[in-house]
Amino acid sequence: QVQLQESGPGLVKPSETLSLTCTVSGGSISSYYWSWIRQPPGKGLEWIGYIFYSGSTNYNPSLKSRVNISVDTSKNQFSLNVSSVTAADTAVYFCARHPTVTTPRGFDPWGQGTLVTVSS
Amino acid sequence: QSALTQPASVSGSPGQSITISCTGTSSDVGGYNYVSWYQQQPGKAPKLMIYDVTKRPSGVSNRFSGSKSGNTASLTISGLQAEDEADYYCSSYASSTTLLFGGGTKLTVL
Repeated sequence: QVQLQESGPGLVKPSETLSLTCTVSGGSISSYYWSWIRQPPGKGLEWIGYIFYSGSTNYNPSLKSRVNISVDTSKNQFSLNVSSVTAADTAVYFCARHPTVTTPRGFDPWGQGTLVTVSS
Repeated sequence: QSALTQPASVSGSPGQSITISCTGTSSDVGGYNYVSWYQQQPGKAPKLMIYDVTKRPSGVSNRFSGSKSGNTASLTISGLQAEDEADYYCSSYASSTTLLFGGGTKLTVL
């Protein structure tokens, strides 16, 4: 079955750019929507944005000015960049697939998540 | 764009039924049949339990069910078991083609 794995630095300095990659295995990245979600320590889930395999994107309005999501179908990967990070961006970052190809709703499966800490 | 509203905590005894509510607006929960529910155990990724308001993915116990009335969706867990103790989140598609999560509900099995 489809599995997702996040990768990237666990520590990022304030004002720098956070960069993560999600690698999809066991299936093709084509034909689906893919999302990034984050969860600050001890807090709830926050949707960051999604990308369609063709490259079209949509972002959480509260993060839109700092977020970019891209896709590399040749590598079966999609990536997240968050610029000008602060301590408030410290969180576990998850990637997930939307299992329906028509509308991006529902998240399944999820990656295991990766903790990114923003600190100097 | 505000988060969906969930109770911070609910509790129940083994064998009982509990319901977790998720309140939004006509632009999200009330406007689409695209509400989903997730169970998150400590230190784990969330797991999809219900999608499209009432549908259960393969492998999810039929003790979990979903419903919606107006701008409020609900998750009901019947025959409560100790293993159901977890955090539960709702999510909804919204009119701006964005997605929202609820604040989460901690379920305690007494």
